[in-house]
Amino acid sequence: QQPVQSPQAVILREGEDAVINCSSSKALYSVHWYRQKHGEAPVFLMILLKGGEQKGHDKISASFNEKKQQSSLYLTASQLSYSGTYFCGTEELEDSGGGADGLTFGKGTHLIIQP
Amino acid sequence: GAVVSQHPSRVICKSGTSVKIECRSLDFQATTMFWYRQFPKQSLMLMATSNEGSKATYEQGVEKDKFLINHASLTLSTLTVTSAHPEDSSFYICSALDRNRETQYFGPGTRLLVL
Repeated sequence: QQPVQSPQAVILREGEDAVINCSSSKALYSVHWYRQKHGEAPVFLMILLKGGEQKGHDKISASFNEKKQQSSLYLTASQLSYSGTYFCGTEELEDSGGGADGLTFGKGTHLIIQP
Repeated sequence: GAVVSQHPSRVICKSGTSVKIECRSLDFQATTMFWYRQFPKQSLMLMATSNEGSKATYEQGVEKDKFLINHASLTLSTLTVTSAHPEDSSFYICSALDRNRETQYFGPGTRLLVL
């Protein structure tokens, strides 16, 4: 099932913060975050595997909730270089509860940072 | 940082011909590589997971006889689009998993146009 990303688009001024959400109706094995600039291949940002996990550094970090159905990407004090489309990719837990089903991507969140 | 290359970067071919795309990890060994497809203004779609020395795992809806994947070495995976048709025109992206760093590195992508 395709994860739901929100918002669809956001426009910020340099230095402002942004939060991008990714949610699933089913418990997830993992969440992957990517950033893609127009015309380029995506860049992998991070993967979250554990419920309650928080990962990343000061400027770009992400969380995975305890239920493992929702993840948020946090962009702090945004820079012009953060502009692009952010995708989350999710792997659902197999019905047997062991491993993961294939990776499915959300529709993306367009982030525009203005000077 | 780790680098993944793709060749060719762009290819135009006639309908019915086959096209081979190479994905190489240049400075690390990748037991696992991924192949994605992205249509204009759409999200990434995982096509298959390629494991060195074994058969690729294809996502639902991806024809394994049409998209042949070979991962013959720890640094090279190839995707061959057989008997390409105009609807196969897309941006094909590979990524390689560096297990030591728990990071996925993307190739720059290959733009395929089938006339």
